[in-house]
Amino acid sequence: NAGVTQTPKFQVLKTGQSMTLQCAQDMNHNSMYWYRQDPGMGLRLIYYSASEGTTDKGEVPNGYNVSRLNKREFSLRLESAAPSQTSVYFCASSIMGGAGYGYTFGSGTRLTVV
Amino acid sequence: AQSVTQPDIHITVSEGASLELRCNYSYGATPYLFWYVQSPGQGLQLLLKYFSGDTLVQGIKGFEAEFKRSQSSFNLRKPSVHWSDAAEYFCAVGAGSNFGNEKLTFGTGTRLTIIP
Repeated sequence: NAGVTQTPKFQVLKTGQSMTLQCAQDMNHNSMYWYRQDPGMGLRLIYYSASEGTTDKGEVPNGYNVSRLNKREFSLRLESAAPSQTSVYFCASSIMGGAGYGYTFGSGTRLTVV
Repeated sequence: AQSVTQPDIHITVSEGASLELRCNYSYGATPYLFWYVQSPGQGLQLLLKYFSGDTLVQGIKGFEAEFKRSQSSFNLRKPSVHWSDAAEYFCAVGAGSNFGNEKLTFGTGTRLTIIP
């Protein structure tokens, strides 16, 4: 049982390049989330998808877009990467929308923008 | 809106000593409370959670946490730490409802160092 799988694990981009971070879960969860983690700032929510077919902005959505491709997959796209987007990105999923069930996290994507 | 404060950025304890990590939350109703642990280079793993009922909750790896409504706190404890407990610990709070789009809010984390 893989849980939440993120690809790639590491990536270096040049300023202005674009890329898509992939996330897939095999737990039949309805809700999926993208967070970024920066030193001293904890985890900040970028976008989330409460259920298939819906997406909403989180705390720090600027510079990102998302796609809930199907129930399993939730991708995060950087259209024009900036050094401020250097971070560790985590995808998470939950059985359903709402905080009561807790989240299952992927192992993260470490992104450096130079 | 809910918020979480972890007052200690970094804590160092000796192996075998007891541990308490502090977490204070702000939320107007009954919260859902969580502790997660993150080992270096890894994702976050759920240690324990509080929904309702007994205010002392047991988790994995010998950890426990106590919900104190009067102090708006959910501190994490372990009687005797092991070198493998060195990691970063995150407290999180969620709305006390499973409807709609409630999400978890995370604290900024406490980094735990274990010395021999």
